[in-house]
Amino acid sequence: EVQLVESGGGLVQPGRSLKLSCLASGFTFSNYGMNWIRQAPGKGLEWVASISSSSSYIYYADTVKGRFTISRDNAKNTLYLQMTSLRSEDTALYYCARGTPFAYWGQGTLVTVSS
Amino acid sequence: DIQMTQSPSVLSASVGDRVTLNCKASQNINKYLNWYQQKLGEAPKLLIYNTNNLQTGIPSRFSGSGSGTDYTLTISSLQPEDVATYFCFQHNSWPLTFGSGTKLEIK
Repeated sequence: EVQLVESGGGLVQPGRSLKLSCLASGFTFSNYGMNWIRQAPGKGLEWVASISSSSSYIYYADTVKGRFTISRDNAKNTLYLQMTSLRSEDTALYYCARGTPFAYWGQGTLVTVSS
Repeated sequence: DIQMTQSPSVLSASVGDRVTLNCKASQNINKYLNWYQQKLGEAPKLLIYNTNNLQTGIPSRFSGSGSGTDYTLTISSLQPEDVATYFCFQHNSWPLTFGSGTKLEIK
């Protein structure tokens, strides 16, 4: 069974950093591109970043480019999102999702940016 | 960037109705259009990929169609469990973009 479990969310002050993780199981992680998608409270979905299976290709939404870094460790079956210079508008539930299409999603980890 | 516009934003229909949700792209997305269903408090679920391909395990009352800039999701006979918000999503070009969603309610 495919499982994606996000962790690392929490309350953080504006301007600070946070690193999210997504632990994958039930499939060969190194064969799939991975993605982060977020959803602000009561709002729609926003694609954040994508990384190819071997990390050769990486893409970001303009809203996070230069502040967020997506990475992966195929030996640990884990996807990461390093977030720096956090802003209030980054407050959201952050999901990881497998491949394109996003056929499998985790349950999300909540990031709250507030002083 | 490609903008995705969904209509209507809210749709109220009766059980058994045939319902159609619309999604319009700001430019040709070559059928690289997916539909996701999100129920309250849950993660989104993939329903349809690449315009008209039904994801495994999704009931056959769901179908998708379209081309170019205009796409539709059709539910042939609305069921109570279909109450949810539906998002379209284009993966033709970066940055990838979602529509703002259609909230589907039962009358």
